Amino acid sequence: AQSVSQHNHHVILSEAASLELGCNYSYGGTVNLFWYVQYPGQHLQLLLKYFSGDPLVKGIKGFEAEFIKSKFSFNLRKPSVQWSDTAEYFCAVVNSGNTGKLIFGQGTTLQVKP
Amino acid sequence: SQTIHQWPATLVQPVGSPLSLECTVEGTSNPNLYWYRQAAGRGLQLLFYSVGIGQISSEVPQNLSASRPQDRQFILSSKKLLLSDSGFYLCASSNDGNQPQHFGDGTRLSIL
Repeated sequence: AQSVSQHNHHVILSEAASLELGCNYSYGGTVNLFWYVQYPGQHLQLLLKYFSGDPLVKGIKGFEAEFIKSKFSFNLRKPSVQWSDTAEYFCAVVNSGNTGKLIFGQGTTLQVKP
Repeated sequence: SQTIHQWPATLVQPVGSPLSLECTVEGTSNPNLYWYRQAAGRGLQLLFYSVGIGQISSEVPQNLSASRPQDRQFILSSKKLLLSDSGFYLCASSNDGNQPQHFGDGTRLSIL
């Protein structure tokens, strides 16, 4: 069965520190990949997505993610975090051409200290 | 862009009572619709999805059911709630299976 694994459940950083959140998935076919973010008190929203093309994708608020097919990974990065990045981050995968059945990772809570 | 409306935001129900959570979508037509349950530390689990009116697919066996009486309306129901039904329920919509999903604000359901 397909699965998505996020390695870090809770990350605490100081402002200006660099961030990398790991995400690995298990599926041998063609996939579309997403990172969603949920800020405190807000609904889930799309941070970035990968469908095809350049494996390094850029999202909102300075986030980027790199798709490494050989490693089944889609890690999220940001060179310098801000206090406002405090949120929960979810990696998700869907089979291309499927009915959009997203498989989510368990989420990573990021706490940025001012 | 799509807007997802869910209500109520919070709900406290006794064990054995019925449930009806409603989700409506604005800003699109003939969307794919989804119900998820979010558990702390466990991410989101897909419960049901629908590609059209009256078409419901269940992803996991459970005490819940879903219906889609109208194009942009998706309802999550139960005849008799169990304690294990407690959780945070999210409705989502997408234009097709490959497009990002838009999420509602969710309903926090507590079963006593």
